[in-house]
Amino acid sequence: DTGVSQNPRHKITKRGQNVTFRCDPISEHNRLYWYRQTLGQGPEFLTYFQNEAQLEKSRLLSDRFSAERPKGSFSTLEIQRTEQGDSAMYLCASSRGQGDTEAFFGQGTRLTVV
Amino acid sequence: GNSVTQMEGPVTLSEEAFLTINCTYTATGYPSLFWYVQYPGEGLQLLLKATKADDKGSNKGFEATYRKETTSFHLEKGSVQVSDSAVYFCALSSGGTSYGKLTFGQGTILTVHP
Repeated sequence: DTGVSQNPRHKITKRGQNVTFRCDPISEHNRLYWYRQTLGQGPEFLTYFQNEAQLEKSRLLSDRFSAERPKGSFSTLEIQRTEQGDSAMYLCASSRGQGDTEAFFGQGTRLTVV
Repeated sequence: GNSVTQMEGPVTLSEEAFLTINCTYTATGYPSLFWYVQYPGEGLQLLLKATKADDKGSNKGFEATYRKETTSFHLEKGSVQVSDSAVYFCALSSGGTSYGKLTFGQGTILTVHP
C-alpha cells in the first residue's frame, strides 16, 4: 500500500480549458475527500464521498467543478472553463469511514492557470 | 460555522529551543482536534490528535492538550530539531454526517536553525 496517489502532480493550462485530476485512495478506505489549498492558507474542504455517493459539497465548489467516484475506488475532479483564480494545490485524502477521523493525504496536484 | 485560528508565523528557533504554536477553535458540538505537518515537498501528515476534552495527543516529542474551557489545542515541543522545520496546521473535525471532514487553520511555518 503506497498511500493516497494523485495525478498529475503538476498541471499548467490556459484559461478557459478544462482539466481533470485523479485520486487513488488507500484501498480499504471508503471515504474520499477533496480540498483546495492556496498559497499561505490551510486546505479548504471541497467535497467528499462515502463509497460512490457524494455526500457533501462546499459552497466553494462552483458549477464549473464536478467530482465523481464511479465505482467507489478512484475519484476524478474536473474543472471546466478554468479561470486564473482556480490556480491552487488540489489535495485528496481518504479515511476508513465513520468512527475513524484520521485522514491520509496525497501529495496534491498543483494547478497553474495562465 | 467551524473555524480554526493559528498564531501567525513564521516562527524561527534555534535547535533545542522550546516550541509553542497556538491554536484556538470555534465549533458546535464536540469536535475532534488535530495537528497536521507538511514537510517540504511532501503531503500533509497527521502529527497527533485528541478526540475529547482534556485528552492529550502526543507524537515524536510533540504534545497538545484539548482544552474545552479555552477552546484551544496548542502544540508544544520541549526541544526542537532542524528536522522539525515544516508547516504545521491545526484542524478540527465535527461529528455527525460530516465526521472526518476537516476545517484547517492557515498554517504556521517553523524554521529551526542549527
